[in-house]
Amino acid sequence: EDQVTQSPEALRLQEGESSSLNCSYTVSGLRGLFWYRQDPGKGPEFLFTLYSAGEEKEKERLKATLTKKESFLHITAPKPEDSATYLCAVQAGKGAQKLVFGQGTRLTINP
Amino acid sequence: DAMVIQNPRYQVTQFGKPVTLSCSQTLNHNVMYWYQQKSSQAPKLLFHYYDKDFNNEADTPDNFQSRRPNTSFCFLDIRSPGLGDAAMYLCATSRDFLSVQFFGPGTRLTVL
Repeated sequence: EDQVTQSPEALRLQEGESSSLNCSYTVSGLRGLFWYRQDPGKGPEFLFTLYSAGEEKEKERLKATLTKKESFLHITAPKPEDSATYLCAVQAGKGAQKLVFGQGTRLTINP
Repeated sequence: DAMVIQNPRYQVTQFGKPVTLSCSQTLNHNVMYWYQQKSSQAPKLLFHYYDKDFNNEADTPDNFQSRRPNTSFCFLDIRSPGLGDAAMYLCATSRDFLSVQFFGPGTRLTVL
């Protein structure tokens, strides 16, 4: 069974303090790994898709990387507006008809 | 702007009283999904449509049904809501199964 585990569950940082969020996955035949941002009471907002080990994507203060077993979301010099829950999801298998989500990392950036 | 729209944003219903949630999209995507997300949990797929082809997840309760009358609209019907059905319901769309899923803002369902 496909599994996605995110760590830590919650992370509190000071503004400007860089860190990384982890997404470990166990799947049969990865087709794609997705990162989403979700603000309280809202739907997930798409950030990145990664397809193969070694791939990297960047957007503003965020950088996503992928290995054969895990993905990292690096956040550089975060600001309070980066506070949100970050969800990782994988698409796998022949049909790849569904996303399997991790539980998310709740990130809080203190000013 | 092309988008996924959900109505209403907040829905309150009584135990056992049927409720319908609505999703529309201007993206002209083939696939539409319904997810249930409970507090501090990951979104859980209920079912999806690829065009008119419906696929129900094995563990989706019979109490939940869906309709897709045309490309743009998809509905989630909860026939007899229980207290355990209180959650955020998310609609998502994608061009095909391997493309990015774009989510709507969600409908928060409260069951009294």
